[in-house]
Amino acid sequence: KNQVEQSPQSLIILEGKNCTLQCNYTVSPFSNLRWYKQDTGRGPVSLTIMTFSENTKSNGRYTATLDADTKQSSLHITASQLSDSASYICVVSVWGGKLIFGQGTELSVKP
Amino acid sequence: DGGITQSPKYLFRKEGQNVTLSCEQNLNHDAMYWYRQDPGQGLRLIYYSQIVNDFQKGDIAEGYSVSREKKESFPLTVTSAQKNPTAFYLCASRSRQGAETQYFGPGTRLLVL
Repeated sequence: KNQVEQSPQSLIILEGKNCTLQCNYTVSPFSNLRWYKQDTGRGPVSLTIMTFSENTKSNGRYTATLDADTKQSSLHITASQLSDSASYICVVSVWGGKLIFGQGTELSVKP
Repeated sequence: DGGITQSPKYLFRKEGQNVTLSCEQNLNHDAMYWYRQDPGQGLRLIYYSQIVNDFQKGDIAEGYSVSREKKESFPLTVTSAQKNPTAFYLCASRSRQGAETQYFGPGTRLLVL
């Protein structure tokens, strides 16, 4: 069964600190993996996309990694800001187009 | 100002009532999607359309209906047969199959009176 599991479910950190969010997947055949940021009451916005051959992809203070062998991805946020408070969703695309969504990690950045 | 718009932002449904959620895009995307988001769960696909006048059921289509008469528009009707409609509904579009990213609208929160 195609599944995407994210951890932790929620996370609270202090402003300025770094954090890492995890995504494990069992999806086949794999096409690509995306990380989305979703602010409360808004639609998700794409942060990064990685294909099978890519190990890492950065977007400003966000860095995503992908280990296709262990089927794990992480999203690292550097020097967190209050505006980073959001839900972060890992999405894996099955070859052919179907998307499998993780349940999200709720990040709260406190001053 | 390009993008995907959804309306209304909040919608209230009475018992036995059908309600329609609007989704419009001016990105010239062929494919459009409707998702339902519940707390603590991943987005679940309700319906999708890859071309005008054609649409397919997703994983949780029961109690919902759609139409795709225009490329820009993909309205979702929540019928009275949907017994638990309270959720956040997200519309998305994509230019073509493959690696192209889905772009999401701002969402509509549906509440039952």
